[in-house]
Amino acid sequence: AQSVAQPEDQVNVAEGNPLTVKCTYSVSGNPYLFWYVQYPNRGLQFLLKYITGDNLVKGSYGFEAEFNKSQTSFHLKKPSALVSDSALYFCAVRERYSTLTFGKGTMLLVSP
Amino acid sequence: GAGVSQSPSNKVTEKGKDVELRCDPISGHTALYWYRQSLGQGLEFLIYFQGNSAPDKSGLPSDRFSAERTGGSVSTLTIQRTQQEDSAVYLCASSWGSETDTQYFGPGTRLTVL
Repeated sequence: AQSVAQPEDQVNVAEGNPLTVKCTYSVSGNPYLFWYVQYPNRGLQFLLKYITGDNLVKGSYGFEAEFNKSQTSFHLKKPSALVSDSALYFCAVRERYSTLTFGKGTMLLVSP
Repeated sequence: GAGVSQSPSNKVTEKGKDVELRCDPISGHTALYWYRQSLGQGLEFLIYFQGNSAPDKSGLPSDRFSAERTGGSVSTLTIQRTQQEDSAVYLCASSWGSETDTQYFGPGTRLTVL
């Protein structure tokens, strides 16, 4: 069965510093990987996805993620954090003939 | 273009009552998904509709939960005889249908069972 882990419940970073939100996955075949962000009392907003091809994926709001097959990871990164990036971030994985499985989420807090 | 809409945004009900939650997907999207987000938990898959195929009900937690999708568009999630543990945010998403397509989420319905 597929699964995804977000090992950090919370990540704290100062504004202007780089940020990383970690995600590892487990699938039996080729993974399709997604990152979503959720602001308070809102639905989930799509950030980026990896399906195939270039391991470095660029998405919305300056975020990017790198697919690492050997480490089964898909960490979310941004070179310079903004206070407005503070939100709940979800990693999700899917493979053929399955539904999307989400991690438990990581709260990102960016301090001024 | 309109995104996914859900109604009501909030629903407070008493234990034992039935509730209906509605989802309007993005026009043209053939796939529709329901998820449940409980406090401190991730998103739990409930049910998936794809075109005219039989829905994937593998995530429904009990037979008190059911969903239908009329005319390939609007969907209703029904919870019968609600329990306090049903309190959660219910999220709907839609997509073009392939496994690689992005799911777009609605704002959710917050259900509180007293």
